[in-house]
Amino acid sequence: DTAVSQTPKYLVTQMGNDKSIKCEQNLGHDTMYWYKQDSKKFLKIMFSYNNKELIINETVPNRFSPKSPDKAHLNLHINSLELGDSAVYFCASSLIAGGGEQFFGPGTRLTVL
Amino acid sequence: GESVGLHLPTLSVQEGDNSIINCAYSNSASDYFIWYKQESGKGPQFIIDIRSNMDKRQGQRVTVLLNKTVKHLSLQIAATQPGDSAVYFCAEKRNNAGNMLTFGGGTRLMVKP
Repeated sequence: DTAVSQTPKYLVTQMGNDKSIKCEQNLGHDTMYWYKQDSKKFLKIMFSYNNKELIINETVPNRFSPKSPDKAHLNLHINSLELGDSAVYFCASSLIAGGGEQFFGPGTRLTVL
Repeated sequence: GESVGLHLPTLSVQEGDNSIINCAYSNSASDYFIWYKQESGKGPQFIIDIRSNMDKRQGQRVTVLLNKTVKHLSLQIAATQPGDSAVYFCAEKRNNAGNMLTFGGGTRLMVKP
C-alpha cells in the first residue's frame, strides 16, 4: 500500500548513457513533482505536473525529460548522463498544485561513473 | 540546543531534552511554511505546517513558531527521542513563484541516548 513509489532505488551507469526513473502514486493526487537532492542534502525542485500537464520547469537541462502518461505516473528520462547528474532523485505528489503537504517517494540514488 | 538550518549543520541533543531547529527564509511574499523530516535512506516526511497569518502552531511534541518580522521559522521538539534523529528541512511556498515549495538547506538532528 505504498503511497508514492519509485523504481529503481539504485541506478549506477556510465557517462553518456540514457536512463529512466519511474514514479507512481496511488493517492489520487492531481500534482506530481521531481526533486533532485545533492550530496549536501540540498533539495531542489525540477518539475511539477498537474493532471499530466507541465506547470513548473526549473531551468533543468533539456537532457531531462519528464513524461506523465496519466496523473498517477510521472517518469523522468535523462539523456547523455553526466557526472554532475549523480544525486538522489525524489518523486512527490500533492492533492493540488502547490499544495503544501507533498508526499515523497523513497528516492532513487543515481550514480554516474 | 539550537541550530541554524544552513549548509546542513548538526544539532546534537541528549535524549529527553528539547530541540530547537531554526530556519531563515528570504521571501516576504511566502505565505505558507512547512517542516519536513528526512530519515536516512528515505524521502522527506511532512511534520507540521503554518500559514503566515499565524505565529505559532502545535502538534504532537512539535511546535512551529513563525516570526514574519525577521523572516524566521523554528521547529521545537519536546522530549527529543532517538527516533527523532534525522535531517529537518523547512520549506516555504512563494506565491510569486508559481506556488512551488522552496526548501531550506536542512539541519541534522542527532539524539544521544
